[in-house]
Amino acid sequence: GAGVSQSPSNKVTEKGKDVELRCDPISGHTALYWYRQSLGQGLEFLIYFQGNSAPDKSGLPSDRFSAERTGGSVSTLTIQRTQQEDSAVYLCASSPPGTVGRSEQFFGPGTRLTVL
Amino acid sequence: GNSVTQMEGPVTLSEEAFLTINCTYTATGYPSLFWYVQYPGEGLQLLLKATKADDKGSNKGFEATYRKETTSFHLEKGSVQVSDSAVYFCALKNNQGGKLIFGQGTELSVKP
Repeated sequence: GAGVSQSPSNKVTEKGKDVELRCDPISGHTALYWYRQSLGQGLEFLIYFQGNSAPDKSGLPSDRFSAERTGGSVSTLTIQRTQQEDSAVYLCASSPPGTVGRSEQFFGPGTRLTVL
Repeated sequence: GNSVTQMEGPVTLSEEAFLTINCTYTATGYPSLFWYVQYPGEGLQLLLKATKADDKGSNKGFEATYRKETTSFHLEKGSVQVSDSAVYFCALKNNQGGKLIFGQGTELSVKP
């Protein structure tokens, strides 16, 4: 079956512009996660959705970052007024219903964001 | 807080050598432990996992045992291949929450 998909695969933007990154999880997966991978910081958690609600958004680095999920499926991560330090690969993952702590997370290919 | 520490890379081995990548963790409660692998140009994939103490996860010749007494989850393989060249990430997940906490990653390069 189809895996987690993300779009766009690459995004180049100018400092100060807003960007939207999209994630389509595996069908039927109730949990959805956003992470980012950067050279200086490694792999960092951003936000976690269970259905359409976000019980853990502790990893969002500033109020310029927001995310939503609709219909228990697609999620959008929005970064407003982008800064150069936002340059990273943004990864989305989803996991099936079950014990959240033990469930495997399936990762998408990522969106590489470059802020000039 | 919860954290994961893994050995720094890069690690360079010859084909058929024995591999160990050390991973230790700090966590409250009883986390689940994971090894993820990222092959060049590809996304993160789960390699193996263990959900309770003394469990051994295994896949593709790789093994790791959940050692609560030493808070460790070292990755081992008896005979590496060139195709094992990748970046390996150790991670934990607290059973009360959903997020993965990753180590910094260890790059493995296997030479023929």
